[in-house]
Amino acid sequence: DAGVIQSPRHEVTEMGQEVTLRCKPISGHNSLFWYRQTMMRGLELLIYFNNNVPIDDSGMPEDRFSAKMPNASFSTLKIQPSEPRDSAVYFCASSLDRSGNIQYFGAGTRLSVL
Amino acid sequence: TQLLEQSPQFLSIQEGENLTVYCNSSSVFSSLQWYRQEPGEGPVLLVTVVTGGEVKKLKRLTFQFGDARKDSSLHITAAQPGDTGLYLCAGAGWGKLQFGAGTQVVVTP
Repeated sequence: DAGVIQSPRHEVTEMGQEVTLRCKPISGHNSLFWYRQTMMRGLELLIYFNNNVPIDDSGMPEDRFSAKMPNASFSTLKIQPSEPRDSAVYFCASSLDRSGNIQYFGAGTRLSVL
Repeated sequence: TQLLEQSPQFLSIQEGENLTVYCNSSSVFSSLQWYRQEPGEGPVLLVTVVTGGEVKKLKRLTFQFGDARKDSSLHITAAQPGDTGLYLCAGAGWGKLQFGAGTQVVVTP
């Protein structure tokens, strides 16, 4: 299995631009998680889905952030408009079971907002 | 405020030395996990501990879960440069994981 696949690996954009991050979970996994990692705040859970349905989005920082999971094999995290403080590494993870106890992470997308 | 507190934040040791990393919380978790993250990569699961007092060994790594399921430790014996990385503990509950801030371990030859 190819594991969790994220794209792009690196994104550099200017403040105010729209950014879309993409994730393909491991086939057969029914839970998907979006995280953000920074030096200051560590690894933070933004939102997670179970069977393509958003379950908990309490970690989404602002209305500028939105996430979708149109099918079991694809999810997006969108930031519009982007701000410099959004600069971070964004990880997607998937889990086989609803408990989400064992998660497999992608390699992440490093976002820089200038 | 981190729900899980890890200590120390940074640890630098020589190859062959032993080290211990701690993870503490005031909350009880159904299970606790340890991950290792290398630069430019996502965290990779090392172990899951479920039962209070449980001890698991993975080659030179020993993981222990506290009796009250609120704390855990990771001990590495005879550390090697390949053990270098960010070690993260995560508590499981309510369908999601809560991560600690991590301990950066550097093992120099």
